[in-house]
Amino acid sequence: GESVGLHLPTLSVQEGDNSIINCAYSNSASDYFIWYKQESGKGPQFIIDIRSNMDKRQGQRVTVLLNKTVKHLSLQIAATQPGDSAVYFCAENISKAAGNKLTFGGGTRVLVKP
Amino acid sequence: DAGITQSPRYKITETGRQVTLMCHQTWSHSYMFWYRQDLGHGLRLIYYSAAADITDKGEVPDGYVVSRSKTENFPLTLESATRSQTSVYFCASSAIGTYGYTFGSGTRLTVV
Repeated sequence: GESVGLHLPTLSVQEGDNSIINCAYSNSASDYFIWYKQESGKGPQFIIDIRSNMDKRQGQRVTVLLNKTVKHLSLQIAATQPGDSAVYFCAENISKAAGNKLTFGGGTRVLVKP
Repeated sequence: DAGITQSPRYKITETGRQVTLMCHQTWSHSYMFWYRQDLGHGLRLIYYSAAADITDKGEVPDGYVVSRSKTENFPLTLESATRSQTSVYFCASSAIGTYGYTFGSGTRLTVV
């Protein structure tokens, strides 16, 4: 499949452990944030989102935390599985801005060790 | 089939040739987007469209042309391909009032 990035930060995780992926966003006006997962050879897939009026949101095995004070976003994956191996991107949006444009972070590669 | 489809999946073209990448979505989403993904650069927005006949430039529009005569189609044309346009291209769409995108599977373009 396509190589997303040779110089991506990489997180190596033992199967069954929890993973934490971090993202610093750039625009203090951003009020909507999304995490995407991209497996080799595929397009990014939506994982979870959060609005700026929330600090935390939970999904199935995933939790997103938002710290607006320091413009930081994190994705926690519980009990990491081999199928979680992928590149993870955060994205930010200003919901009232025209064009509905997302700005993506550079991505983090997660490698799950058996 | 429902969803967002891109074609071709892979394309090799020569420098100076014109090439068009196709994107088709079946949801009647208003918004459509083209991104390119390169080593070390993540996803960068080339062009986007808010509706049929409404398009606008993104972060890296030079060398690309788009059109949107129908809501469901958003082709991306490289008028005279250059090696720097070797990349993986993703099309995405979203509905009004939603801020997450659905992406296609991508087109891997190699310009030789």
